[in-house]
Amino acid sequence: AQSVTQLGSHVSVSEGALVLLRCNYSSSVPPYLFWYVQYPNQGLQLLLKYTTGATLVKGINGFEAEFKKSETSFHLTKPSAHMSDAAEYFCAVTENSGYSTLTFGKGTMLLVSP
Amino acid sequence: KAGVTQTPRYLIKTRGQQVTLSCSPISGHRSVSWYQQTPGQGLQFLFEYFSETQRNKGNFPGRFSGRQFSNSRSEMNVSTLELGDSALYLCASRKNRQDNEQFFGPGTRLTVL
Repeated sequence: AQSVTQLGSHVSVSEGALVLLRCNYSSSVPPYLFWYVQYPNQGLQLLLKYTTGATLVKGINGFEAEFKKSETSFHLTKPSAHMSDAAEYFCAVTENSGYSTLTFGKGTMLLVSP
Repeated sequence: KAGVTQTPRYLIKTRGQQVTLSCSPISGHRSVSWYQQTPGQGLQFLFEYFSETQRNKGNFPGRFSGRQFSNSRSEMNVSTLELGDSALYLCASRKNRQDNEQFFGPGTRLTVL
């Protein structure tokens, strides 16, 4: 069984500040990990994913995440927040077989103030 | 390349009615998954279809059903609607079941009164 915990349902930052959204996972098999972003009244857009290889993953819009197996974490970061980053962010896990489904965290709403 | 499309985008129904939602995957994608998103429960997996067969099922009552057609388009049906079925229903497609990346549609917002 898999599970995802996202710490903080809401995170507030100022424009230009560091963004850090936390994600911890539980998986009995090696995981694939994803971060999705959802803007109001829209579906989910993939930001980045970790499957195999390099543990530091770069995604779109300047976001990156690091897979840390020892900490079972996959935190999302961005050096400098922009107003357009305000959205809800979801961390998700799936088994590395690829045949399984996505298990999502509860989501973190990122608020960016000027 | 067109993305995943879902129709309708918004629906209002009353308790006891049934509803059918439609999803057209990205061209060439053969796997379609459905998810329910609510403020309380978050994103939950409903089911996955591939080659017109249900391959995975989440923990939802039998009132929730689906099907997939030969062109990979999928429908989901909810019968005897309850207030708690109010949610955003998201469809996602991938080329094959072993692909790890899923592409999501904009969702159908269902409101049950």
